[in-house]
Amino acid sequence: KNEVEQSPQNLTAQEGEFITINCSYSVGISALHWLQQHPGGGIVSLFMLSSGKKKHGRLIATINIQEKHSSLHITASHPRDSAVYICAVLLNDYKLSFGAGTTVTVRA
Amino acid sequence: DVKVTQSSRYLVKRTGEKVFLECVQDMDHENMFWYRQDPGLGLRLIYFSYDVKMKEKGDIPEGYSVSREKKERFSLILESASTNQTSMYLCASSPRTGYTFGSGTRLTVV
Repeated sequence: KNEVEQSPQNLTAQEGEFITINCSYSVGISALHWLQQHPGGGIVSLFMLSSGKKKHGRLIATINIQEKHSSLHITASHPRDSAVYICAVLLNDYKLSFGAGTTVTVRA
Repeated sequence: DVKVTQSSRYLVKRTGEKVFLECVQDMDHENMFWYRQDPGLGLRLIYFSYDVKMKEKGDIPEGYSVSREKKERFSLILESASTNQTSMYLCASSPRTGYTFGSGTRLTVV
């Protein structure tokens, strides 16, 4: 069983809709990352969280350490938000464990 | 802006060739990593290095080796490329926490 589970696997939204991606993990962690990968592209780190909530533009990430759960929200979604979003947990000083990713498609 | 630079965006190599994938970071990070990314399997750690000349095997080191002679450079070596090593290869660096990824090298072995 994977240490990191993401849902949904795929998501299609209309432009302007609110999008939520969920991440649950089963191990103790020191931090959690949300990563973004556009088709054919490299990976960009959106957020690193160890508690609470972070916001950057239209993106909001939250984490509940007790429940071992994190969410990534995209407000007022846009076609340029179409990408794969990956949750990754930092298990110790260096090792990341990755979720399988959520493919988000935003239609104009 | 901090950067992790991978020397090639796309590579095509022949079976049996020795292949070098280069990664350079300009952030003075201690840790550097090589991952491969495959459909349905996600990202898997090949090797990492926590200091110059220090290396540790990741989850799938077979068929690969690495070199870190200078802090800023971490090389992944495929001693004899095989078709099952066709993949996207991603380099990353980090201080104790926080990761920066490179843009990736898509390697095709024919």
